[in-house]
Parts: sequence; C-alpha cells; structure tokens
Amino acid sequence: KAGVTQTPRYLIKTRGQQVTLSCSPISGHRSVSWYQQTPGQGLQFLFEYFSETQRNKGNFPGRFSGRQFSNSRSEMNVSTLELGDSALYLCASSLVAVTGRNTIYFGEGSWLTVV
Amino acid sequence: KNQVEQSPQSLIILEGKNCTLQCNYTVSPFSNLRWYKQDTGRGPVSLTIMTFSENTKSNGRYTATLDADTKQSSLHITASQLSDSASYICVVSESNTGTASKLTFGTGTRLQVTL
Repeated sequence: KAGVTQTPRYLIKTRGQQVTLSCSPISGHRSVSWYQQTPGQGLQFLFEYFSETQRNKGNFPGRFSGRQFSNSRSEMNVSTLELGDSALYLCASSLVAVTGRNTIYFGEGSWLTVV
Repeated sequence: KNQVEQSPQSLIILEGKNCTLQCNYTVSPFSNLRWYKQDTGRGPVSLTIMTFSENTKSNGRYTATLDADTKQSSLHITASQLSDSASYICVVSESNTGTASKLTFGTGTRLQVTL
C-alpha cells in the first residue's frame, strides 16, 4: 500500500512569503503529526491531528498553522517566512493515536529553502 | 526536561564490520523506545520498537537492546553494508499518553560505511 505522501518535495521561497505543505497519510490512518528537522537539531514537534482535531501543538510561533481534512489529509502553513524556517518538514501518520507499539510512518519530507 | 542523547555523533566503518550506536535518555515516565534509519534527504524509516518489558529486538542485521534501569539503549549493526550509510535516530516516548507531543528525538548518529 502507498506510504505517506508529501508535496511538494522541494521548494524555494522568499522571506515574507507564505507556504503550504501537504501530507496524505497511509490509507486508513487517522493520526497525522508534523515535524521540523534542521541540521544538528533533532526532529522538533509542530502539530498533531486526529480525526480533524488538533490534539497538540509544539513550541512554534503562531506563523505555523495546520489543519486536517475529513479524509485525514493534512496541510501545514507557514506565513511571513523567515530565513530560519529553512528546514526539512516531515509528516508522519499512524493508524490511531501514537501510543505503545503503534508504528509511526514518515513521509519523505518537504525541503523548504527561504532566501 | 526530557532528553535523548546519542553517541557517537558520527562514525565511519569499513564494509563488513560491526558497529554499535548508543542512546541514553532521561524521559520519564518511560513508555517505549524506537530506532529509525534516515537516509540523506529521505524520511525516517522504523527499525525497532521496544517497550519497558523488552530488552532485545532484532530486525535483520539490526539488533536493538534496552536497559530500562540505566535508561540506555544500543543499536548493533552486524556485517555492515554500504546501504547502511545513514543517520540513526533514537526516539523515546513519555508515558502511554497516545500523543506525538510526548516523543523526544535524539539528534542522531551519522554512520558512513566505506569500502
């Protein structure tokens, strides 16, 4: 079955612009979470959605937002981009909530470069 | 504050040799520990998941161990191959809260396998 699909894979934006990243989880998975990965830093948690509801949000400014649709697909948006937002943004899905031995499947990520 | 520390930061070994990567954590209460492999520019792929009661888990040439008393885990790679060149990330889950916000990620060990 298809894995977690993220689009676009690569994008370059200018400071001050906004960007929307998309994530399609594995079919049947209801939990989607987003992470930011930068060199030298571990994955930083952004948001988690379950059945269209945001369950948690990480310690990021309000410029970072997201949502989940009824088909479990999710989007994240970053407004007023800053140079420091350049990173690999990873989406992950799991069958139900992240717990116990529940495997978390990651997408290939969206590489965002802000110039 | 929950932390996951991995060592070494990077490692170079010859093809065919074995190696062991370390993960120390201070996450409490502990629920489970996961090891992921991340190829450059790709999303992380799950290798193993271990809960409190498990002290060894294998996945092909990868064997993970867990000592919940000392809060240490290791990932042993046997008969390394060039395709093992990647970053290996240790992820520890706090409690059984069922939320991605309770995952703590290590910064990874960068392994390079050479001829």
